[in-house]
Amino acid sequence: DIQMTQSPSTLSASVGDRVTITCRASQSISDWLAWYQLRPGKAPKLLIYKASTLEDGVPSRFSGSGSGTEFTLTISSLQPDDLATYFCQQYNSFLTFGQGTRLEIK
Amino acid sequence: QLQLQESGPGLVKPSETLSLTCSVSGGPIITSSHCWGWIRQAPGKELEWLGSMYFSGSTYYNPSLKSRVTTSVDTSNSQFSLRLTSVTAADTAVYYCVRGRNLQYLDSWGRGILVTVSS
Repeated sequence: DIQMTQSPSTLSASVGDRVTITCRASQSISDWLAWYQLRPGKAPKLLIYKASTLEDGVPSRFSGSGSGTEFTLTISSLQPDDLATYFCQQYNSFLTFGQGTRLEIK
Repeated sequence: QLQLQESGPGLVKPSETLSLTCSVSGGPIITSSHCWGWIRQAPGKELEWLGSMYFSGSTYYNPSLKSRVTTSVDTSNSQFSLRLTSVTAADTAVYYCVRGRNLQYLDSWGRGILVTVSS
């Protein structure tokens, strides 16, 4: 199994801040990585796939980077609507997820 | 806009079979570039992929659950289903149905349904 480790597990930031979440894979997954947003009471939402490709309709303040074993999700200017938990997921070998990063707005 | 909606019992007894259905609307269930699957999240745990299938019937299961999981698709009713046998308290979780871009990223999710395993 490929293990995915996210950091931090919780993040508190202010509106307008630049926020970065990291995801590390236990072995190389090339760029077979996706990021999701889970907001309370809503269906999880795909943000990014293939490490850096923005899903249609996702605001451009979200971006992804990385390859191999280390990846980042960046929110360039945090908005109140971004209060959520964020997950990474590898699809190099079946599907496994990180444990999530809960983003709180100060 | 594709919509997925999970349905099924919210309470299942230990050793019994958990059965859930996902209704697909707003888009076709017959598609060669997507597969249909199930994800769950137990309390305090990360998301776990259970399995995925194509409308043709090809199935792929998480090896850790393979002996207990079965998925099926009903194209005439635009639904697909999950069966998980011999459940225990460890199977208590929110279960999500999903559409995947092949066996890759998941581009549509249902809102999830909480299933509790308890006598």
